[in-house]
Amino acid sequence: DAKTTQPPSMDCAEGRAANLPCNHSTISGNEYVYWYRQIHSQGPQYIIHGLKNNETNEMASLIITEDRKSSTLILPHATLRDTAVYYCIVRVPQGGSEKLVFGKGMKLTVNP
Amino acid sequence: DAGITQSPRHKVTETGTPVTLRCHQTENHRYMYWYRQDPGHGLRLIHYSYGVKDTDKGEVSDGYSVSRSKTEDFLLTLESATSSQTSVYFCAIEASGSYEQYFGPGTRLTVT
Repeated sequence: DAKTTQPPSMDCAEGRAANLPCNHSTISGNEYVYWYRQIHSQGPQYIIHGLKNNETNEMASLIITEDRKSSTLILPHATLRDTAVYYCIVRVPQGGSEKLVFGKGMKLTVNP
Repeated sequence: DAGITQSPRHKVTETGTPVTLRCHQTENHRYMYWYRQDPGHGLRLIHYSYGVKDTDKGEVSDGYSVSRSKTEDFLLTLESATSSQTSVYFCAIEASGSYEQYFGPGTRLTVT
């Protein structure tokens, strides 16, 4: 089972910032928070990951609360192409590889 | 797309027939994964590989086998396809220590 909770859907106006929330209240100290997105019918796309510090890259910013029980993915200027299902994932160690456990994600719709 | 291809992209087969899906990478990454995606379930891990001839089961491995005889290819086999295996199958790759998985374009399999 996924260790994260996301709202099922969210709308955002084009050009505005999209703030996507995620709860991961049972996260362990060495587990990272990852964000992926999946645009219709395509394979998931990596966006960003973080442990406890805020992170930023060319796609988005990731804000993790001090207690690490929740995080927010920020798309600073949403475009229509950002319409997708967004997955917040906590990385679970498994044997020699750390697998990703995908939940149902959150559908972001960017409206013109 | 991070040097990952999947073949075939679409396949229709009959119940009881064997099916092999191929994932090919040009990145020489150590880790490779097979996921399936079904409505209402998100992505679920079937099998993964952490090196040539080193594979392990994921959460939905029943009815599937895998092989990895060389770094660049990871094969997923349905020994006797069933209608419940109708799904979209995604392959992913990951470099050691990168924390990022890159996904292929997917294979849509229909078992009639």
